[in-house]
Parts: sequence; structure tokens; C-alpha cells
Amino acid sequence: EVQLVESGGGLVQPGGSLRLSCTASGFSFSNFWMSWIRQTPGKGLEWVANIKEDGSQKYFIDPVRGRFSISRDNAKNSLYLHMKTLRAEDTAVYYCARENGPFDYWGQGALVTVSS
Amino acid sequence: ETVLTQSPATLSLSPGEGATLSCRASQSVGTSLAWYQQKRGQAPRLLIYDASNRATGVPARFSGSGSGTDFTLTISSLEPEDFGIYYCQQRIKWPPTFGPGTKVDIK
Repeated sequence: EVQLVESGGGLVQPGGSLRLSCTASGFSFSNFWMSWIRQTPGKGLEWVANIKEDGSQKYFIDPVRGRFSISRDNAKNSLYLHMKTLRAEDTAVYYCARENGPFDYWGQGALVTVSS
Repeated sequence: ETVLTQSPATLSLSPGEGATLSCRASQSVGTSLAWYQQKRGQAPRLLIYDASNRATGVPARFSGSGSGTDFTLTISSLEPEDFGIYYCQQRIKWPPTFGPGTKVDIK
């Protein structure tokens, strides 16, 4: 059974940093692109970033480029989102998702709240 | 970016009724469109990919159609577990984008 489990969410002050993790199981993690997608009541679902199977290619949406980075450790079946210089507008539930054409499996989400 | 517009915003229906949800793209996405279902407190779940293909385990009452800029998700006869929010998503134009959702609630 494919499972994706996020961790690392929490409350952080504006300008702070946070690292989200996503641990995968039930499939060959190293064979898939992986994405981070966030959801807010106001903006809905927003794709944030993705990373190629071997980590050699990474893409970001404009609002987070330069502040967020994405990485993976295929030996640990883990995906990471490193977030810095966080802003109030980064407050969201962050999902990791497997790319298989569409996003065919999603984690349960990690809530990130940026507030003083 | 490719903007997806969904209509209606809300659909109030009774179990057993049929539902037709629409998704329109601001530019052609071919058939690279997916539909997801999200229930309260849960992550989105893939229902339909490539416009008309049901994902693994998705009941046959869900069907998708369309190409280019206009797409439809049809639920032939609503079951109680079908109430929730439905999102469309395109993946052919970077960045991947989602529609704002159609909420299907119980009348």
C-alpha cells in the first residue's frame, strides 16, 4: 500500500525557517518525481515545487523561489521541503504527492502557520 | 499560468441524483486534465486522469470527458460518500494548476 506521511509542520514566526519531511512507503520512491502542494482557504490548492527522481532537477513557483528548497534522500525514502524567510502568506497545509502523470497519491498534510 | 475555472461553485443534490461538474481552462491542455475529490479533513484523492480515465479503485459511476479547454466530471448517481469538493487540475502547462473547486453538498 502506497503511503506518504508528512511531518515537521508547526507555528513559526515571520522570517523564520521550517523543514517539512515526507516519508514514503509501499512503492519504489526513487522511480518517481515528487511534489509539494499547499492548500489555503483563500487560494485553494497551489503546487509549490517538485524534484526529479535523482534530485537533479528542481522547480518552484515564483512566490517561493529563493526562499524554499526541495531535496530528497532516496536511501531513506524521504522528501524534504526547506522553507526560510517565511511569510504570513505561506500559512497553509502542505502535502507531499507522488507524480505519476497526475498526482496519484498524497500525504495527509502538515499544517504550517506563520504568525507572530 | 493556465487558469482553471470550475462551475458551479456549489451543487446541492440528493443521494441518487446525477451530478455534472465543469472545468474550463484558459488555454488548451489537450487531455492532460485530472479530477480529485476532497472530503473534510482529508487530502485530495485522484478520481480521473487524462480527462477520462478512472484511477484505481474509483467506482464506475464517476466518468470524465472533454479535451482542449472544456471538461466535465459526471457522477451518474450520487452515493452518500460522494459529497465533498471536486477539483480539476492540469499538468501540461507549467506550473501545474488547480481549479477553485466545486462543492457537492447534500440538499
